[in-house]
Amino acid sequence: EIVMTQSPVTLSVSPGERGTLSCRASQSVSGNLAWYQQKPGQAPRLLIYGASTRATGIPARFSGSGSGTEFTLTISSLQSEDFTVYYCQQYSNWPLTFGGGTKVEIK
Amino acid sequence: EVQLVESGGGVVQPGGSLRLSCAASGFTFSTYGIHWARQAPGKGLEWVSVISANGATTMYADSVKGRFTVSRDNPKNTVYLQMNGLRVEDTAIYYCAKKMLAGVGNHWFDPWGQGTLVTVSS
Repeated sequence: EIVMTQSPVTLSVSPGERGTLSCRASQSVSGNLAWYQQKPGQAPRLLIYGASTRATGIPARFSGSGSGTEFTLTISSLQSEDFTVYYCQQYSNWPLTFGGGTKVEIK
Repeated sequence: EVQLVESGGGVVQPGGSLRLSCAASGFTFSTYGIHWARQAPGKGLEWVSVISANGATTMYADSVKGRFTVSRDNPKNTVYLQMNGLRVEDTAIYYCAKKMLAGVGNHWFDPWGQGTLVTVSS
């Protein structure tokens, strides 16, 4: 099983600043990585797939990069609605696995 | 609009059974694989199972293999998750989610349903 490790667990950022979230895979997943955003009481929402392709309707301030074992989700200028939890997911190998999540909080 | 609606959650005793349903609308249901994932209270996401578009292929997480069975009824646009031998650690919100793309591979999820809560407790 591929273990996905997200860091930091909590990211404290001021509104308008850049936020950088990391996701590391225990073995290469190539570019087979997705990012999701989950707000309290809601289902996850797809942000990024293929490591760097934004899903339909996702603002341009969200960007993904990386390949192999190291991936990054960058939020260029954090808006109030962006302060929530983010998960990465690999779909290179079975079983599909998620990272433990990063909570982005207001500094 | 693509929509997935889960139902069937509830409270069940350890060792009991429950069947979840995922009703889909807004897309050609028989063309897409459907996944189940779960989230224990206050915890992260865990993938549970997938069923292919025609129902011929299913896969399970080791944690549920042999206890859970996924199936689908394409004329009814519905996927089912039969859960037997439930354990306290199966307590979670269960989400169904559509593969974004049809065809082989590309197992990322878009969209997700709103989830249904399963509580296993004596």
